[in-house]
Amino acid sequence: EPEVTQTPSHQVTQMGQEVILRCVPISNHLYFYWYRQILGQKVEFLVSFYNNEISEKSEIFDDQFSVERPDGSNFTLKIRSTKLEDSAMYFCASSDMTEAFFGQGTRLTVV
Amino acid sequence: GQNIDQPTEMTATEGAIVQINCTYQTSGFNGLFWYQQHAGEAPTFLSYNVLDGLEEKGRFSSFLSRSKGYSYLLLKELQMKDSASYLCAVRDHPNNNDMRFGAGTRLTVKP
Repeated sequence: EPEVTQTPSHQVTQMGQEVILRCVPISNHLYFYWYRQILGQKVEFLVSFYNNEISEKSEIFDDQFSVERPDGSNFTLKIRSTKLEDSAMYFCASSDMTEAFFGQGTRLTVV
Repeated sequence: GQNIDQPTEMTATEGAIVQINCTYQTSGFNGLFWYQQHAGEAPTFLSYNVLDGLEEKGRFSSFLSRSKGYSYLLLKELQMKDSASYLCAVRDHPNNNDMRFGAGTRLTVKP
């Protein structure tokens, strides 16, 4: 089965630092997403990306966040000036029209 | 705005059948997904419905009624490993593929 790959699996960072979370989506998918899940809470939509640009972003996705597709395969989420409340699992997903698969996630801990 | 509602918790017995409901009120509709999520893991794709009716896939079936804003996931021949959270997600816009998630239903299967 095709899979979405995320790195790193765990990231610990100091408050105020910048982190970059990386994702390799499924190769023939066109739609990419970042989601966040704070421990014990629901999966929250952050941003979607199509045709090399953001197609939609949530109210959570403010100026602290940015996404890029720097080459043909990687899809990154950058979080600037991290805060304690950014600690969460961050999931990347990729989709065609009828299926959407998640990566295993990056557990971000801000200390 | 949008609402996606699921029961918070359910309990069922090994070997039995359980139905997990999801109701949604969204500004548009372009498909509904069900995911399984074990604690500490990524959501795993189970099913996709965009037309009314029942989609069967092994022990799992998913039903959709667009006029009622209603879906259910039916799990048959329950196994202990089916203990997990089940997430309903809706695409609410015809022009993008963003999925918005409900809070999930935590299912506990007892012997």
